[in-house]
Amino acid sequence: DQQVKQNSPSLSVQEGRISILNCDYTNSMFDYFLWYKKYPAEGPTFLISISSIKDKNEDGRFTVFLNKSAKHLSLHIVPSQPGDSAVYFCAASVQAGTALIFGKGTTLSVSS
Amino acid sequence: DTAVSQTPKYLVTQMGNDKSIKCEQNLGHDTMYWYKQDSKKFLKIMFSYNNKELIINETVPNRFSPKSPDKAHLNLHINSLELGDSAVYFCASSQSGGRANYGYTFGSGTRLTVV
Repeated sequence: DQQVKQNSPSLSVQEGRISILNCDYTNSMFDYFLWYKKYPAEGPTFLISISSIKDKNEDGRFTVFLNKSAKHLSLHIVPSQPGDSAVYFCAASVQAGTALIFGKGTTLSVSS
Repeated sequence: DTAVSQTPKYLVTQMGNDKSIKCEQNLGHDTMYWYKQDSKKFLKIMFSYNNKELIINETVPNRFSPKSPDKAHLNLHINSLELGDSAVYFCASSQSGGRANYGYTFGSGTRLTVV
């Protein structure tokens, strides 16, 4: 049973526009949420995170929004760049530093 | 200097063989993990070690045995390899009790192909 779900396997966006990647979770005990980015033949790299006590966290072009009542989070990338093309994984844990539960990933393609 | 390094990067072997994948981290983290990414691209935790002690052991066949000689190393030994073991295996590390935005640091993965 998937506790973290990314229902869109892929997303295509034009350069300069906004990319919105979505993630839903079922476990109300999750306390921390993270986004990872993965290029082919590489390991996932940490992108941005948010604690359950917040509803928004921003880092440059990347913003993560958390809606606890809906058990939903999203990653916004503005403006999107071709170099953002990668697989994006949503992950969650019940405590910082503990095992992360990952979604299946969304492949983002940004065309120039 | 690679933070989390795994060897080998590629491994092709026959069914029934025994193989090991090594992982080392130089970040001073106290927790290490093994994840498996199967053909459906799903990243699933297998094991977690904290200061050489096993703290997570998900439903994984007992043909898989992790070994942590010290907190900087976590190796994965697989006995009697099966076709279904073909996957990419990722090692990762983190610092327990750290801030949420610490996250994990992953290795680049080991692609195991069983033929």
